[in-house]
Amino acid sequence: DVKVTQSSRYLVKRTGEKVFLECVQDMDHENMFWYRQDPGLGLRLIYFSYDVKMKEKGDIPEGYSVSREKKERFSLILESASTNQTSMYLCASSLSRDGYTFGSGTRLTVV
Amino acid sequence: QKEVEQNSGPLSVPEGAIASLNCTYSDRVSQSFFWYRQYSGKSPELIMSIYSNGDKEDGRFTAQLNKASQYVSLLIRDSQPSDSATYLCAVNKDTGGFKTIFGAGTRLFVKA
Repeated sequence: DVKVTQSSRYLVKRTGEKVFLECVQDMDHENMFWYRQDPGLGLRLIYFSYDVKMKEKGDIPEGYSVSREKKERFSLILESASTNQTSMYLCASSLSRDGYTFGSGTRLTVV
Repeated sequence: QKEVEQNSGPLSVPEGAIASLNCTYSDRVSQSFFWYRQYSGKSPELIMSIYSNGDKEDGRFTAQLNKASQYVSLLIRDSQPSDSATYLCAVNKDTGGFKTIFGAGTRLFVKA
């Protein structure tokens, strides 16, 4: 069964901390994505990557960065966590124009 | 106008009925269309994709696409309580699959 695995299901971090969210896929997909999902705002794209070491900003990249050193791994970095970054973070991968396979999500709380 | 619009619901149907979920999109160059199911507290799961006008059936699910009307729908036949979830419509605006726009979702309740 193909999988997208996110390293943590729940995280609690303090304001100002640097936070790393890891995502690994085993499907040899070219494209990987980071979204956040908030009630009333739906899914919003933070960053995506279409190849190793390639990255593109999504709709809400401020306060975030990403890293893709290997095809299977896409990391989201919160440089200095703030309370408005409390959210559900979803990683996804896809092959070309196919639909996404999502990870199980990381619920991040910044206190 | 939102790029992908869905009625937020909730849509309530009795068990065994047909549930009809609708979605409109604003960009005529949209290439491909998807329906995702999301249970409460879980991540979205792809259930249907459709790329050309007409109907596409998969088990109890039928996706319908009308590009002229910029309309895509999902029919769920013989609805079951386990179908109760939020259904997200998603539209790809490019061939690379990078610019996927998600609707806000329609909540479906299937009453036993």
